[in-house]
Amino acid sequence: KNEVEQSPQNLTAQEGEFITINCSYSVGISALHWLQQHPGGGIVSLFMLSSGKKKHGRLIATINIQEKHSSLHITASHPRDSAVYICAVMNYGGSQGNLIFGKGTKLSVKP
Amino acid sequence: KAGVTQTPRYLIKTRGQQVTLSCSPISGHRSVSWYQQTPGQGLQFLFEYFSETQRNKGNFPGRFSGRQFSNSRSEMNVSTLELGDSALYLCASSLDLSGADTQYFGPGTRLTVL
Repeated sequence: KNEVEQSPQNLTAQEGEFITINCSYSVGISALHWLQQHPGGGIVSLFMLSSGKKKHGRLIATINIQEKHSSLHITASHPRDSAVYICAVMNYGGSQGNLIFGKGTKLSVKP
Repeated sequence: KAGVTQTPRYLIKTRGQQVTLSCSPISGHRSVSWYQQTPGQGLQFLFEYFSETQRNKGNFPGRFSGRQFSNSRSEMNVSTLELGDSALYLCASSLDLSGADTQYFGPGTRLTVL
């Protein structure tokens, strides 16, 4: 079982829809990141959070440390939101590795 | 402020060769992390350098190595290339150690091993 699981793997939405992407993890963490990767490879860091909720424009990220779960919400989705969204956790206490990544959620927003 | 730059952007090598990839972080950033991305494994952490010292290493063989210079620029080297090393190699920089700070990613170097 992967240490970071994302769902769904693929998501198709109509423009304007409210979107939720989920991330569950099984390790102890010091922080969780949400990343966005557009075709061509470029990665942008959207959020880094260790508790509660953060909002930036139409994007909202939440984390529940007790349940080891985070969600990324996109309100009023737009075709330019089409990308792969990756959840990554910063594990603490381990000697191997740093960020542990989920497999990503491929989002396609149709006009 | 210029972003993270990586050179070269594309590279084709043959099995057994070695390769060196370069990463220039955002000015003032002291941490550089390297990642490998493949369709099968997704993104995986390679190593992190901070103030010229390797601070953490992922689960990769010793053929993968790196270093960081006094100006924070970093290089990674892969020796004795294998077909499975074909991947997108990304570096990311941050002001502080990556565990405490937002990382800014470069565009990546796409390595193809024939």
